[in-house]
Amino acid sequence: TVLTQFPATLSLSPGERATLSCRASESVTTYLAWYQQKPGQAPRLLISDASNRATGIPARFSGSGSGTDFTLTISSLEPEDFAVYYCQQRSDWPPPWTFGQGTKVEIK
Amino acid sequence: EVQLVESGGGLVQPGGSLRLSCVASGFSVSNNYMSWVRQSPGKGLEWLSIIFSGGNIYYSDSAKGRFTTSRDNSKNTLYLQMNSLRAEDTALYYCARGSDSSGFLVLWGQGTLVTVSS
Repeated sequence: TVLTQFPATLSLSPGERATLSCRASESVTTYLAWYQQKPGQAPRLLISDASNRATGIPARFSGSGSGTDFTLTISSLEPEDFAVYYCQQRSDWPPPWTFGQGTKVEIK
Repeated sequence: EVQLVESGGGLVQPGGSLRLSCVASGFSVSNNYMSWVRQSPGKGLEWLSIIFSGGNIYYSDSAKGRFTTSRDNSKNTLYLQMNSLRAEDTALYYCARGSDSSGFLVLWGQGTLVTVSS
């Protein structure tokens, strides 16, 4: 399953709302996750199963969607949220599983 | 402390081989599913392989046939044997552990850099 993320880059200011999209080439039901990656760091799991926040993730991060269309929303951007975000599916059986190509959220 | 520490990266010539290691602390690799993910310089994440607790192993198309994932339960270590390396295999290689509840990658190492160049 191919995951396509858009936009490639999102230029926003702190305090603004960020809406990131991930589209699957076929249904992944809700077997989709979102990760955040900052420069020089490993990725961090934010959202699993399309809408469940991982442990310790602030409530400003939310995920929605099912089937082929998914959204990660950051309700009000904090300075530390400027990073690259990836979606990943684990629906295919057997694997391989796949990542999207990423969306960079940059400071406007 | 629960963590993953990768090692074994370095400079290798095209056509060469390298074995990466990922030592786990605070949990057992044998009871979890473990994955390898890589990231080429300035690029996105690429899923490479997974080994389930039962021992089944699966690979991406890019890893199949050249890369082999294994584990040593006595050493609590995950391995990635990479053969016939190409310039396009140059990347930071991460090992990661799947979550018990969701199955997604909840714990990551810091990565080990592999550079394939003559």
